[in-house]
Amino acid sequence: GAVVSQHPSRVICKSGTSVKIECRSLDFQATTMFWYRQFPKQSLMLMATSNEGSKATYEQGVEKDKFLINHASLTLSTLTVTSAHPEDSSFYICSASPGINQPQHFGDGTRLSIL
Amino acid sequence: RKEVEQDPGPFNVPEGATVAFNCTYSNSASQSFFWYRQDCRKEPKLLMSVYSSGNEDGRFTAQLNRASQYISLLIRDSKLSDSATYLCVAMKTSYDKVIFGPGTSLSVIP
Repeated sequence: GAVVSQHPSRVICKSGTSVKIECRSLDFQATTMFWYRQFPKQSLMLMATSNEGSKATYEQGVEKDKFLINHASLTLSTLTVTSAHPEDSSFYICSASPGINQPQHFGDGTRLSIL
Repeated sequence: RKEVEQDPGPFNVPEGATVAFNCTYSNSASQSFFWYRQDCRKEPKLLMSVYSSGNEDGRFTAQLNRASQYISLLIRDSKLSDSATYLCVAMKTSYDKVIFGPGTSLSVIP
C-alpha cells in the first residue's frame, strides 16, 4: 500500500533553532501534500497545502514566514519551523494521496519539543 | 458550518458491545469518504473507505447516506484494541484539503 515517510520522528531543541521536517511519498508521486499540527487532546489542524513546483497554500492564521514549505520534487515536501519557540512544540504530521479518490496516507508524525 | 461534524464522545463501552458512530458532512459535492482511527500520540491510520452501497471489513461496517449527508461506522464485538479516536473524512477529490473534526473517542472497557 501507499507509504508516506516522515523524518525525524522526534526533535528536542533550544528556542530559536530552526527545524526541518521531511515528508516523503515512498511508492507514489504526490503533487500535493498536506501539513497538519496537533496539540495534546486537540484535533488535527491543517496548516498548509504543499504544491509541487509552486507556492504552498496556508490556512488562515498560519504564518508562512514562520512555517516554510518547500515541495521541490514529486516525492518530497519539507516543513521548516523557523526560529522555533516553546509554543511551537507540537505533533506535526504530513499526508499525501496516491491518486484521485484515493485516501490520504499519513506520515508517522514528528514530535517537536522546544525548550 | 464545519466540514464534518461528529459527536466527540467519549463512548465508553464494554468488550463485546456493538457501537455506532455517525458523521455528517456539509459539502454535498463530496465524492470520497473514509474512516480513520487515531491512537493517542500517533498519526491517523486509514480504517476503511466508505462506498455508496455500504461496505464491511470484518467487524467494521461503513455506510453512506448521500441524501442526508452522513456516514456511519458500526463496530461489532468491540475489542480493547478498538479504543481510539475515530475520524471521518469527506472529500470532493483526494487532492482537496482534508479538514478533520475532533473525531469520536471510543474506550472499550474490560
